[in-house]
Amino acid sequence: GAVVSQHPSRVICKSGTSVKIECRSLDFQATTMFWYRQFPKKSLMLMATSNEGSKATYEQGVEKDKFLINHASLTLSTLTVTSAHPEDSSFYICSATTSPQSYEQYFGPGTRLTVT
Amino acid sequence: LAKTTQPISMDSYEGQEVNITCSHNNIATNDYITWYQQFPSQGPRFIIQGYKTKVTNEVASLFIPADRKSSTLSLPRVSLSDTAVYYCLVGGDYKLSFGAGTTVTVRA
Repeated sequence: GAVVSQHPSRVICKSGTSVKIECRSLDFQATTMFWYRQFPKKSLMLMATSNEGSKATYEQGVEKDKFLINHASLTLSTLTVTSAHPEDSSFYICSATTSPQSYEQYFGPGTRLTVT
Repeated sequence: LAKTTQPISMDSYEGQEVNITCSHNNIATNDYITWYQQFPSQGPRFIIQGYKTKVTNEVASLFIPADRKSSTLSLPRVSLSDTAVYYCLVGGDYKLSFGAGTTVTVRA
């Protein structure tokens, strides 16, 4: 149980285009989802917290107009990287919790974004 | 969020027990201690969580002394597939803050 999927697993896009990444909780309802990015050999950095039906809360330094997050249902959150540039190339990982009081997060397999 | 300090890397051999100690001197009363494992190009996986004393599950044990300023993750009889990065996190709510983690390399 508690499986989180991400799509696509890898994506290559041209500079200036937008890319959408989906995060789905397959067998549970996720009241809260999180988006992280991870550079090679670095730790995960929390980008934003997303609650179903409300606006995402972004961490300091993360541009909300560049990284659009939508949490339209209890099983789906999307991250759209708008006007992507090579420096946006990274590993993007989502996670979900079953309740706001839960300390355990279930992570997706990640999406490797390469911007050329 | 309490800051954590853990060794950058550790080497071990198959069948040995691996103990990773994490320091969290500024842990708050409401904070829990949670450990995650991450393989390359994959999302982290929850290993174990505790508040005080000792917690054990099917994959690991977590030892927390009375002052809670540190914790030790114990992996019994490691195998090659346990080679990964292990993160110690301390927090009182669902928002996670990952540190640098400990890269554990298990050799044959």
